[in-house]
Amino acid sequence: AQSVTQLGSHVSVSEGALVLLRCNYSSSVPPYLFWYVQYPNQGLQLLLKYTTGATLVKGINGFEAEFKKSETSFHLTKPSAHMSDAAEYFCAVSAQNSGYALNFGKGTSLLVTP
Amino acid sequence: ETGVTQTPRHLVMGMTNKKSLKCEQHLGHNAMYWYKQSAKKPLELMFVYNFKEQTENNSVPSRFSPECPNSSHLFLHLHTLQPEDSALYLCASSQVAGISGANVLTFGAGSRLTVL
Repeated sequence: AQSVTQLGSHVSVSEGALVLLRCNYSSSVPPYLFWYVQYPNQGLQLLLKYTTGATLVKGINGFEAEFKKSETSFHLTKPSAHMSDAAEYFCAVSAQNSGYALNFGKGTSLLVTP
Repeated sequence: ETGVTQTPRHLVMGMTNKKSLKCEQHLGHNAMYWYKQSAKKPLELMFVYNFKEQTENNSVPSRFSPECPNSSHLFLHLHTLQPEDSALYLCASSQVAGISGANVLTFGAGSRLTVL
């Protein structure tokens, strides 16, 4: 089975600062990795995904993530935080032939201060 | 309507009530899911339907009963719930092709359930 661990349930950054949200995965087979964002009173929205190929993945709203097999990591970054980035961020994993659903981490709440 | 629509958005019920949550997807997807989102816990997969057939049931108590009459609609029937069942229930859909696990889920806004 596949699983992810998100380090830090709360992260606070200043507006304009680098955003770094950490995710480590566990999988016995090559994983598919996802980052989703959840704004208050809304469902989850896909930010980006890694399946195969290029290990640096670019997503919406200026976010990107890098798949590092040697570190079993898929950290999410954004060079400059904006107030509108404040939300809950979820890392998720699946794998080929593992079924259709995703296994999610506990989430990281991002706070952006002026 | 576009995307995945869930109704009602908020539901308060007693432990002896029977109620249902409804999910409708307008994306032409062939798989639908129920997830439970509780505070400080990971999203928990409850049920998966692929081509209207239930393919996963993650040891969910029988007081939760899913129904998928067609590929666009998914229900979660609730009966004799407990206060610990209070949570946000999220519906999602995806287009599953072949045996790949890399399908992207599209989520609804959720139904906030409070059990008194």
